[in-house]
Amino acid sequence: QSVLTQPPSVSAAPGQKVTISCSGSNSNIGNNFVSWYQQLPGTAPKLLIYDNDKRPSGIPDRFSGSKSGTSATLGITGLQTGDEADYYCGTWDSGLNVVFGGGTKLTVL
Amino acid sequence: QLQLQESGPGLVKPSETLSLTCSVSGGSISSSISYWGWIRQSPGRGLEWIGNIHYSGRTYYNPSLRSRVTLSVDTSKNQFSLNLNSVTAADTAVYYCVRGVVPAAYSFHHWGQGTLVIVSS
Repeated sequence: QSVLTQPPSVSAAPGQKVTISCSGSNSNIGNNFVSWYQQLPGTAPKLLIYDNDKRPSGIPDRFSGSKSGTSATLGITGLQTGDEADYYCGTWDSGLNVVFGGGTKLTVL
Repeated sequence: QLQLQESGPGLVKPSETLSLTCSVSGGSISSSISYWGWIRQSPGRGLEWIGNIHYSGRTYYNPSLRSRVTLSVDTSKNQFSLNLNSVTAADTAVYYCVRGVVPAAYSFHHWGQGTLVIVSS
């Protein structure tokens, strides 16, 4: 059971937009920055979004992040088959712990 | 460009100590804005943070693993290490070394490729 709650899977057609939610509490998302990671099959996770809505250099602006209260959302526009991956949210928890969501598998139909 | 590379045994016996090292290239482990850490991922499961360490020696550990974990830094070799003692099959996982950047050092900007460690007799 993960501290942060994500949908197990989402899907959309190429070119469409998809959003992935991440729900937490005041002890984690509500008072800390949220990050998002993309894990392509057989590879290490890669940082997509940090500080709720910032993109590291090299991450296309098709990827966006937002936070409201105790929830965060990752948005991906112009879906490509290469976006098929597992996506994880993460943040700090007041229990002195880095916590992650259980991951969301994105399928591009 | 900063790169991280894990190294260590791929097979550890139950009750023994799992020891991994992460070599940092393309940057200094003595960076004041960097925290160096470990995250693991059990087969088919999600991510679990193990702990972070600053080159100054300041450490943060996952409370659920704190009693078994030790992180250390070797600035002369530009490396940091993980020791996890009294391992069981539940510690079988891919172990990633990572880098976080202050102020939110729990956002991991760099990841190693990961190394699979199997706990088995």
